[in-house]
Amino acid sequence: ETGVTQSPTHLIKTRGQQVTLRCSSQSGHNTVSWYQQALGQGPQFIFQYYREEENGRGNFPPRFSGLQFPNYSSELNVNALELDDSALYLCAIHGSSDNEQFFGPGTRLTVL
Amino acid sequence: DQQVKQNSPSLSVQEGRISILNCDYTNSMFDYFLWYKKYPAEGPTFLISISSIKDKNEDGRFTVFLNKSAKHLSLHIVPSQPGDSAVYFCAGTNAGKSTFGDGTTLTVKP
Repeated sequence: ETGVTQSPTHLIKTRGQQVTLRCSSQSGHNTVSWYQQALGQGPQFIFQYYREEENGRGNFPPRFSGLQFPNYSSELNVNALELDDSALYLCAIHGSSDNEQFFGPGTRLTVL
Repeated sequence: DQQVKQNSPSLSVQEGRISILNCDYTNSMFDYFLWYKKYPAEGPTFLISISSIKDKNEDGRFTVFLNKSAKHLSLHIVPSQPGDSAVYFCAGTNAGKSTFGDGTTLTVKP
């Protein structure tokens, strides 16, 4: 049981603000990935962290940044929020093989 | 450039019949392909995967077929059950990074 949790579940921000989203799991995992899922689309890869270092990044600007902590929890930070940042943000911890990912329920971010 | 495409946004089938969900890809570097199932207000749940060197993988009612020459994969669900109603995503992975299609909403009617 991986028990991936994300907080908060919902969040409303205004343009220009900054937001921090959190992800944690019951058991420790070295690798965590973050995805953005816009309405009607599939999840899009933002970046991945392995042992607290960024290990690959998708097509997202630098105002999307992340952290992974020694206790394997992780944060996604977004600065200078734009309306198009409104989406479901998903984190996924990786299992014993790279192709195995366990997703959290997501954080629904609305930017007004 | 969308590297993974699911061209059917929705599919409706009768309970007990076969559901076939399709996916096309363009990136030859994917080493695994995966199918996920997603219910509202939940994250995607892993369903079944296939290595790029295989052409078929079966797990209970779920079978995934990979046609590398056509860059096409499909998920077969037999028999379909009402509880299978969900959004299904296919994804290709390369070095642990996944690229998802936009999903197909499957509705299984009792």
